[in-house]
Amino acid sequence: QQQVKQSPQSLIVQKGGISIINCAYENTAFDYFPWYQQFPGKGPALLIAIRPDVSEKKEGRFTISFNKSAKQFSLHIMDSQPGDSATYFCAPFLNTGFQKLVFGTGTRLLVSP
Amino acid sequence: NAGVTQTPKFRVLKTGQSMTLLCAQDMNHEYMYWYRQDPGMGLRLIHYSVGEGTTAKGEVPDGYNVSRLKKQNFLLGLESAAPSQTSVYFCASRKRQGSYEQYFGPGTRLTVT
Repeated sequence: QQQVKQSPQSLIVQKGGISIINCAYENTAFDYFPWYQQFPGKGPALLIAIRPDVSEKKEGRFTISFNKSAKQFSLHIMDSQPGDSATYFCAPFLNTGFQKLVFGTGTRLLVSP
Repeated sequence: NAGVTQTPKFRVLKTGQSMTLLCAQDMNHEYMYWYRQDPGMGLRLIHYSVGEGTTAKGEVPDGYNVSRLKKQNFLLGLESAAPSQTSVYFCASRKRQGSYEQYFGPGTRLTVT
């Protein structure tokens, strides 16, 4: 868990605003950088992911920005909607030995109407 | 196609009791995982399996055992439950090649009193 630091722990955004969640990592063996979304009472599900050879990826209102030199990546949610209220996890993929996701501690997002 | 299913959804145990959590996937995935989720700690890997008949320890394996007798099933056992094992347990699966995406089940909420 110490390999990945996610912030903030919680976030309240007004409808239509921009939500930004950050993830910092230390291990250079990570080679795939996903964000997972989890609604209450459900399992996490892949939201969006980026490979380290690109700096940004956009899918609808969701964008990942990746800064390889700073070892950071972030999730931006544009035009945030109440339906986006969920917990978000960064979970970079460790590609050495046993390959696995390493989860951040999560960010609880609340989008107020 | 049900994806990943978990049984049971909820369970209350007394300290010292035993139980088995069942995970089943119908996607023919090779890799399967058991995680526990605790507030503020993200998801921590308990045990995993890279194929039928093989299992290995994750980050927090103490107090748990697993078995994978069939490719589609991954069982998590608690031989003598402790209050520290109160948590939400998630199973996940992934293809061995071609994708890093993990598919999660809906979770089992376990309380040990």
